Amino acid sequence: GESVGLHLPTLSVQEGDNSIINCAYSNSASDYFIWYKQESGKGPQFIIDIRSNMDKRQGQRVTVLLNKTVKHLSLQIAATQPGDSAVYFCAEFSGGYNKLIFGAGTRLAVHP
Amino acid sequence: NAGVMQNPRHLVRRRGQEARLRCSPMKGHSHVYWYRQLPEEGLKFMVYLQKENIIDESGMPKERFSAEFPKEGPSILRIQQVVRGDSAAYFCASSPVEGTDTQYFGPGTRLTVL
Repeated sequence: GESVGLHLPTLSVQEGDNSIINCAYSNSASDYFIWYKQESGKGPQFIIDIRSNMDKRQGQRVTVLLNKTVKHLSLQIAATQPGDSAVYFCAEFSGGYNKLIFGAGTRLAVHP
Repeated sequence: NAGVMQNPRHLVRRRGQEARLRCSPMKGHSHVYWYRQLPEEGLKFMVYLQKENIIDESGMPKERFSAEFPKEGPSILRIQQVVRGDSAAYFCASSPVEGTDTQYFGPGTRLTVL
């Protein structure tokens, strides 16, 4: 659904560990989802996408899982690196493919 | 292949002035989207345009805000008589076609209203 709140939840991980970032969406009719990474002062950067006819998709070091039953997305980052530190947003297309609805975002902090 | 370009990157205006934000989509992209982001929040959709047409402006405030994407030149988001609540980051995204393509974002314009 719509993002709300003033304070982003933070996930702190050690360098080299795996990270899992979760996202709930509200529109059961949504059929295309995207994960974006946003570094401080920059625009969102595409990471990986998934369509509703799939439940898993893998990229380089990243995996997205989609559970349509409970309307839940997750982003898994393997061997997390300091350069992965950023805010991560899930986004869904709503009302056709012209309007992205962003989730609230999760800040990932990677510690050496 | 240059990405989505936005200018200016930072814009400071006093209350009551006008703000003009520009967006040049990626080469070959004819669909432009504008989003607004408040601190510590996700992006909120404002408007979707194709060349010379506004397709969906359901996220645009009813007053003071307008957008265009002329046949030649960049897309413009115009805010008249700015107020402090307009202070935000404004992002433009583009895609080559509607329906199946990811939107690629520019670096944003950070508007500060004094």
